[in-house]
Amino acid sequence: KQEVTQIPAALSVPEGENLVLNCSFTDSAIYNLQWFRQDPGKGLTSLLLIQSSQREQTSGRLNASLDKSSGRSTLYIAASQPGDSATYLCAVLAGGGADGLTFGKGTHLIIQP
Amino acid sequence: DAGITQSPRYKITETGRQVTLMCHQTWSHSYMFWYRQDLGHGLRLIYYSAAADITDKGEVPDGYVVSRSKTENFPLTLESATRSQTSVYFCASSGTVVNEKLFFGSGTQLSVL
Repeated sequence: KQEVTQIPAALSVPEGENLVLNCSFTDSAIYNLQWFRQDPGKGLTSLLLIQSSQREQTSGRLNASLDKSSGRSTLYIAASQPGDSATYLCAVLAGGGADGLTFGKGTHLIIQP
Repeated sequence: DAGITQSPRYKITETGRQVTLMCHQTWSHSYMFWYRQDLGHGLRLIYYSAAADITDKGEVPDGYVVSRSKTENFPLTLESATRSQTSVYFCASSGTVVNEKLFFGSGTQLSVL
């Protein structure tokens, strides 16, 4: 069974710093990996989707990388801002079926002004 | 408005009562999903649907019923609510599973007393 782990569970950094969030998964036979953001009391918003054939995806100050062979992905946030404070979750799709999406438990990020 | 909407936003009910959570999407996405989010468990799939009149069980389907008579609607019914079903419920949709992002509604916070 696929397991997705996110470390650290919580992170607090000063504004302006560059930071990296980590996601690891146990089964490297994945179709894609998504990074989501969740604000308190809200639903999840998909930030980046990386297909298994891709190494990275970028959107603005966000860059996500994927290393399938090692079962790892990182989300890099450049020049962090207080508005980046949220919980970030990664999810991997394995097996190709619609029930094959497995979520990590997230990293709770606080950016201090 | 375009998007995916859930109702109600909050619901309090008593054990043994039937409760229906509604989900509506305007994109004509083929796939729709119901997840529950609990502390310590993360997001778990309850049911999903690949198209109208096609539904399938996820990881935690017991005590829940779904239907999908129209592409845009995917209601979730708790036939006889139990306290263990107190949770935040999220509906999500996607055009395809492998190649497209997953879009989430804002969630329904359900309390079963």
